[in-house]
Amino acid sequence: GNSVTQMEGPVTLSEEAFLTINCTYTATGYPSLFWYVQYPGEGLQLLLKATKADDKGSNKGFEATYRKETTSFHLEKGSVQVSDSAVYFCALRGNNRLAFGKGNQVVVIP
Amino acid sequence: ETGVTQTPRHLVMGMTNKKSLKCEQHLGHNAMYWYKQSAKKPLELMFVYSLEERVENNSVPSRFSPECPNSSHLFLHLHTLQPEDSALYLCASSQGTSGPLQYFGPGTRLTVT
Repeated sequence: GNSVTQMEGPVTLSEEAFLTINCTYTATGYPSLFWYVQYPGEGLQLLLKATKADDKGSNKGFEATYRKETTSFHLEKGSVQVSDSAVYFCALRGNNRLAFGKGNQVVVIP
Repeated sequence: ETGVTQTPRHLVMGMTNKKSLKCEQHLGHNAMYWYKQSAKKPLELMFVYSLEERVENNSVPSRFSPECPNSSHLFLHLHTLQPEDSALYLCASSQGTSGPLQYFGPGTRLTVT
């Protein structure tokens, strides 16, 4: 079945540092890929998406590229801010269903 | 009020209690969802309603009972829960069930004692 794997553990980094959160997936066919963000006390919000291989999704300085050859969709941001502190979920849609990863807590320290 | 709202935001209940979680969406969507978010686990889809009919039930124990009286409201009735049911319960809505974009509520933090 479809599944998403995110790197283990929270991510703590300083303001203006470079952020990478790894995401790999297993799916049949050609899934669409997404990153969702959950700010403290709020529900999940769609951050960015990519619907086919080599597509790059981007929003709010975040980017992720759909890599079919490595079945990956890593999230990156060049210079994080304290306001980026949140939980980030990688997800895929295949067979009309969304499958989510476990999420990564990101803490940005001033 | 806009978006997806959930009440209560926090709930503590004993194992013999009966309580209900409420979700309301003001987006005109026709599909609604219940998810369970536990620490260190992927988000788990529990129930899907489309046009007020349950279209998916992912092997959820019968102590969780959903109800969708209309396209704007979704309930999750709880009874005789277990401590391992403690989690954040998220409601979401979307237009149709095949699209990628689901709008999530802030969740109800449930603690079972």
